[in-house]
Amino acid sequence: DAKTTQPTSMDCAEGRAANLPCNHSTISGNEYVYWYRQIHSQGPQYIIHGLKNNETNEMASLIITEDRKSSTLILPHATLRDTAVYYCIVRVAGSSNTGKLIFGQGTTLQVKP
Amino acid sequence: NAGVTQTPKFQVLKTGQSMTLQCAQDMNHEYMSWYRQDPGMGLRLIHYSVGAGITDQGEVPNGYNVSRSTTEDFPLRLLSAAPSQTSVYFCASSYTWDSLPYEQYFGPGTRLTVT
Repeated sequence: DAKTTQPTSMDCAEGRAANLPCNHSTISGNEYVYWYRQIHSQGPQYIIHGLKNNETNEMASLIITEDRKSSTLILPHATLRDTAVYYCIVRVAGSSNTGKLIFGQGTTLQVKP
Repeated sequence: NAGVTQTPKFQVLKTGQSMTLQCAQDMNHEYMSWYRQDPGMGLRLIHYSVGAGITDQGEVPNGYNVSRSTTEDFPLRLLSAAPSQTSVYFCASSYTWDSLPYEQYFGPGTRLTVT
């Protein structure tokens, strides 16, 4: 599985966009990029995933570079409730690989008033 | 739907005791798994199951047993608790198979302390 690199921590002002980068330079063609977050002491929460194209849902947008070696998760209007650890994970979909998510250290996002 | 539920929320064990952490889901998911999370670290996969009657080991399986007799339940058994098993345990479930990247749903966690 491709290894991911994320900054250890980031700050963001409330109401502003939070842009969380992730490097995955060894990603394979059939590996998806997933983002999860973990709010203090809770179970991780799925945010979004993508393969090649940019994706958007009600929570966030995912921008994947054309060479797929990096991606950015965008929270368009961060709130204090978005303070959490954000994990970028790459994984092949399907079969028994579905659940074998490998969580690194993630990025601790602190949203400040 | 209740989603993924875990019991108990908190547990304190003495070294050498055994216990079972319960996990249940009502979404008819084929895939279920157990992770542990130590302080300041990411989650590590303990065991997983791709369907009733099928289980396999994850990254850190030693000291734990699992079974999957029904689609809904996936209990995790600690055979002889050790202080190194002090951790927060999360259960997760998802659809699986084919080539679609299904999301995983996580339970609220069980906080286990072994003294």
